[in-house]
Amino acid sequence: GQNIDQPTEMTATEGAIVQINCTYQTSGFNGLFWYQQHAGEAPTFLSYNVLDGLEEKGRFSSFLSRSKGYSYLLLKELQMKDSASYLCVLNTDKLIFGTGTRLQVFP
Amino acid sequence: DAGVIQSPRHEVTEMGQEVTLRCKPISGHDYLFWYRQTMMRGLELLIYFNNNVPIDDSGMPEDRFSAKMPNASFSTLKIQPSEPRDSAVYFCASSLTRSTDTQYFGPGTRLTVL
Repeated sequence: GQNIDQPTEMTATEGAIVQINCTYQTSGFNGLFWYQQHAGEAPTFLSYNVLDGLEEKGRFSSFLSRSKGYSYLLLKELQMKDSASYLCVLNTDKLIFGTGTRLQVFP
Repeated sequence: DAGVIQSPRHEVTEMGQEVTLRCKPISGHDYLFWYRQTMMRGLELLIYFNNNVPIDDSGMPEDRFSAKMPNASFSTLKIQPSEPRDSAVYFCASSLTRSTDTQYFGPGTRLTVL
């Protein structure tokens, strides 16, 4: 089966950098998504990694290491609006969602 | 495009009643997914359709749950009879082609069963 582990909660300060880690166990997968979900709203797509390495998209970057079973989402220049849950998602024959990391950004 | 549309946004019902949740996917998307989200278990896939045909319903918790997709623009998730443990947010999502493409989520239906 598949298993995804991420920290339950994190806090950070506006303007800072935060890294949200995700480790997983799976027999095989196509890639790994990161989704953002604000409280009371639907998840929205942030990034998708297929190959090992870093994918950069503005203030957000996502990294994947298949050999280590590890991914992270890096958020730079944090803003208050970045307070949300961040979901690590394995792309197998269907999507397997982690329980998410709730990030709180303080002024 | 209006995105994925779900109704109702909130539903409060009493145990034993039938509940029907509705979803309209993004036009042109071939795949439709129903998820349930709770604090304890996170997002769980219940069932998904490809071109209106159910492909994988292994996530449907029990026979009280059923889902249909009579045409490309409409799907329902029905719970009969409902129980308090069914209280959750139910999301519908759609994707363009393959089941592993980026999924676009609707706003969700918050269900409370008393």
